[in-house]
Amino acid sequence: EPEVTQTPSHQVTQMGQEVILRCVPISNHLYFYWYRQILGQKVEFLVSFYNNEISEKSEIFDDQFSVERPDGSNFTLKIRSTKLEDSAMYFCASRQGQKLFFGSGTQLSVL
Amino acid sequence: GENVEQHPSTLSVQEGDSAVIKCTYSDSASNYFPWYKQELGKRPQLIIDIRSNVGEKKDQRIAVTLNKTAKHFSLHITETQPEDSAVYFCAATLEYGNKLVFGAGTILRVKS
Repeated sequence: EPEVTQTPSHQVTQMGQEVILRCVPISNHLYFYWYRQILGQKVEFLVSFYNNEISEKSEIFDDQFSVERPDGSNFTLKIRSTKLEDSAMYFCASRQGQKLFFGSGTQLSVL
Repeated sequence: GENVEQHPSTLSVQEGDSAVIKCTYSDSASNYFPWYKQELGKRPQLIIDIRSNVGEKKDQRIAVTLNKTAKHFSLHITETQPEDSAVYFCAATLEYGNKLVFGAGTILRVKS
């Protein structure tokens, strides 16, 4: 069964550094998402992406965040200058119909 | 925007008993309500979903009910087993392509 894949599984970075989280959505899906989950809390929406552009973003998704689909398969989330409070599990997801399928996540730790 | 409230935050049941988790949503235009199960350190997995034109849906030991008038929906797990122990999230969304808004989650512990 096809799955959303994410790399890396863990990322440790220093505050102020840039990080890029990578995702390969399921191939015939058209909508892509980034969510994050701070330890012990709910899954929070960051951004949705359709037809090569952002369709919606939350207030968390400020100027430090960007997304890109550089080719036909990858979907990336960049955080330009990480802050301590960016530490979380970041989930990529893709959608078929109304069903959302999550990747296995990238645990980002900002020191 | 949509807001989803979920209760209880934790639920302990004896193996074999039933578990019920309840959610309410704020936007009457929401029309799709999935439930996700998340085991420790793993991705949320879709376990069942319901659309607003249906009042109840069942899949083996899991069922979901929807009351559109009251704007609430519930997850029912019967004959619980230790492997049902996980965090369960409800969610709601307005229409095709829109974001899912999640509830805060329920930690379910099934004691054997």
